[in-house]
Amino acid sequence: AQSVTQLGSHVSVSEGALVLLRCNYSSSVPPYLFWYVQYPNQGLQLLLKYTTGATLVKGINGFEAEFKKSETSFHLTKPSAHMSDAAEYFCAVHRGTSYDKVIFGPGTSLSVIP
Amino acid sequence: KAGVTQTPRYLIKTRGQQVTLSCSPISGHRSVSWYQQTPGQGLQFLFEYFSETQRNKGNFPGRFSGRQFSNSRSEMNVSTLELGDSALYLCASSLERSLTDTQYFGPGTRLTVL
Repeated sequence: AQSVTQLGSHVSVSEGALVLLRCNYSSSVPPYLFWYVQYPNQGLQLLLKYTTGATLVKGINGFEAEFKKSETSFHLTKPSAHMSDAAEYFCAVHRGTSYDKVIFGPGTSLSVIP
Repeated sequence: KAGVTQTPRYLIKTRGQQVTLSCSPISGHRSVSWYQQTPGQGLQFLFEYFSETQRNKGNFPGRFSGRQFSNSRSEMNVSTLELGDSALYLCASSLERSLTDTQYFGPGTRLTVL
């Protein structure tokens, strides 16, 4: 069965520092991979997704992620953290071709320290 | 273009009651999915509707049901509420059913069962 692991349920970074949120997945087939962000009292917003093609994916708000098949990883990075980046981040992997087959990770709560 | 709207935003019910939640997708979107989000289980897929037909259902008991209207608006119903049904219920819409279509989430309905 496919699964998604997010290392670190809570991550704290200083404002201006590098943001690195880790995501590893298990998949028997090349996956589609997603990163979502959830701000307090809001729904999820898609940050970026990998389907096919270039393994370095750029998303909104300065985030990017790199698909590394050999490491089964899809880590999310941002060069310089802003206070507004404080939120919950979810990695997700598909195990089929439609949204009912998408498996979400447990989430990582990002705190940004001024 | 207006985003996905969900009503009500907050709801308090008692055990044994039933509840209906509403979701209005983005104009032109035909696929509507529902998710349950809890601290313990994370994000779990409930069901997906497309063209007024339920296309997929997650691993939830029959107390959870839904429907979609001709204008793509969707409702979900939970009967005989249990304490464990307390959760944030998220609705998401997309143009079609493909993973290449971005899924847009509403702010959710926070259901508390007492």
